[in-house]
Amino acid sequence: DVKVTQSSRYLVKRTGEKVFLECVQDMDHENMFWYRQDPGLGLRLIYFSYDVKMKEKGDIPEGYSVSREKKERFSLILESASTNQTSMYLCASSLYSSGDGEQFFGPGTRLTVL
Amino acid sequence: KQEVTQIPAALSVPEGENLVLNCSFTDSAIYNLQWFRQDPGKGLTSLLLIQSSQREQTSGRLNASLDKSSGRSTLYIAASQPGDSATYLCAVSTTGNQFYFGTGTSLTVIP
Repeated sequence: DVKVTQSSRYLVKRTGEKVFLECVQDMDHENMFWYRQDPGLGLRLIYFSYDVKMKEKGDIPEGYSVSREKKERFSLILESASTNQTSMYLCASSLYSSGDGEQFFGPGTRLTVL
Repeated sequence: KQEVTQIPAALSVPEGENLVLNCSFTDSAIYNLQWFRQDPGKGLTSLLLIQSSQREQTSGRLNASLDKSSGRSTLYIAASQPGDSATYLCAVSTTGNQFYFGTGTSLTVIP
């Protein structure tokens, strides 16, 4: 079975802190994604990566950056956390670069910024 | 931009009932459509994936259909159980590896 893991289930940070969220997948998938999920807004794509060191902006990249130094690991970075970044963050991976692959999700990280 | 809508937003049914969840999308140029289940505070669990060339997929008590030309998909759940209570989301993938999600249908199955 595909496994996608996220570094923390719950995280509490202060405004202005630099925050790292890490995601690891164990099935050699090319594509990896970071979403945030908010009530009433659904899942929104922040960034995705289709290969090592490659990244593409999603719908809401402002205030975020990403890093993919190894194929299995995709990190989301909040350079200076703000209260409006309080959310559920979900990482996903999929196999095919052409976009016809099934997406698999991690358990999510509930981030609270005070 | 692709828009995905799920109706109803919430549904409550007695145990044992068969039910249908709906998903509609605005752009029929999709690679695939995927149905997920999400339990409160958890990640998404993949239920079924339908490729654009397929009409339906089945897994146990679940059956998903796809009508690309009309921009619709349905998820049929047979003989519902309390353990089926969760939020169900559909997502479509388009060119460029983008996936677009609906806001989900919250299902409650009453024992």
